[in-house]
Formats: sequence, C-alpha cells, structure tokens
Amino acid sequence: GQQLNQSPQSMFIQEGEDVSMNCTSSSIFNTWLWYKQDPGEGPVLLIALYKAGELTSNGRLTAQFGITRKDSFLNISASIPSDVGIYFCAGQRIPQGAQKLVFGQGTRLTINP
Amino acid sequence: DAGITQSPRHKVTETGTPVTLRCHQTENHRYMYWYRQDPGHGLRLIHYSYGVKDTDKGEVSDGYSVSRSKTEDFLLTLESATSSQTSVYFCAIRADRVGTDTQYFGPGTRLTVL
Repeated sequence: GQQLNQSPQSMFIQEGEDVSMNCTSSSIFNTWLWYKQDPGEGPVLLIALYKAGELTSNGRLTAQFGITRKDSFLNISASIPSDVGIYFCAGQRIPQGAQKLVFGQGTRLTINP
Repeated sequence: DAGITQSPRHKVTETGTPVTLRCHQTENHRYMYWYRQDPGHGLRLIHYSYGVKDTDKGEVSDGYSVSRSKTEDFLLTLESATSSQTSVYFCAIRADRVGTDTQYFGPGTRLTVL
C-alpha cells in the first residue's frame, strides 16, 4: 500500500536545538497532518494543514504544506525533553468522502540533556 | 481528548481463536476508523465506518471484519487470529469542526497472538 516517505527515521539531538523533519510523496495530497506519539499512547494531533503553501504554528512547532502539494515539513524550535517521541505525518489524497489517511513511517526524536 | 476509549487495552491470545476489539466514543461522530501499527509501517487503515451499519475496507482488511450497530461503538473482529496480526490497534474518530477536519486517536490495544 502507499505510504508517505518520512525522513529522517530517527534523530539524536541536544536539548535546545532546532529540529526539522519532512514527508514526501509522488502523489498530490489535499490535507497534511502531523501527529506525535508517546510510548504506550495513541497519536496526538499537533498541526493540520489544508491549503498548499500554508504555514501554521502551534507554540514551538511550525509546519508547512508544500507548494507542490507533494510534501510537508515540521520544525520544532528550541527542543525540550518533553519533545521526545515519535512524530508521524499523515496525508489525505481525496478531499471528499471518508478521509482515508496515509501515514509516514515516523521520525523518532531522542534528546540528550 | 476526543472521548475515545478502547477495550481491552492488552490481550494475549492463541492462533486460531476469535478476538473482538471494541472502540467506544462519546461525541456522536459519524466516521470511525480502525488502524494497525507495526514497526516500519506507521499506521495502516484496516476498516472504517461512515455510519451505523455502513462500513468499508481499508488498505489491510484481509482477516478482519467490523461492525457498527450503534453510533458510539465500532467493533473489530479477528475471526481466527494469526501471528501476523500481532500488532497495536488504534481506533480513531473524524471530527469535522469549523476550520478543521481531522482524526483523533484512542489509546490503543496491544494484541499478541501466540
């Protein structure tokens, strides 16, 4: 089945550093979503993007809907220990109907204090 | 919190036995989804529902069936569990609110098939 290509697969950074991750696809998407998952829990929505070129922030998080509609980026500024977790991108190709999401494989973020 | 609960949270079963997982929501959302999560695969859609008794297949539906007899409950059944169905299963609801249309996930059920 189709999946989004998410990179990097893992990141090891120092506390206070900025983080960037992205998702790409060969297909056009109409919605991009970014989720964070902590161990033993379900994914939690961070940011939702609905228009090409859209740039949206949620605190220290900023995400962009790529202008080609085939990619999306998530940036985290000044990382803190609670940012540790797995980040997933998800996309919806068809704007109408059942909102069948396609997910990336995830980016595992580890922060060294 | 989108008012989603899943039961059981953990289950160990044997190959060939039937298993039913339950998803319960309290906010009367029309759309509900079942995903499985496996290392290296992210989340993959198994089945979804767009109303009572209205369901359809997702990407990885083989070996699974679903039922929705009430708006608040969406059941996922493994008729005869196999080891390849060992996974973490997540239920989600679609919340379509002004300015946003997205999915919120439950806490998950970890299923081990021996």
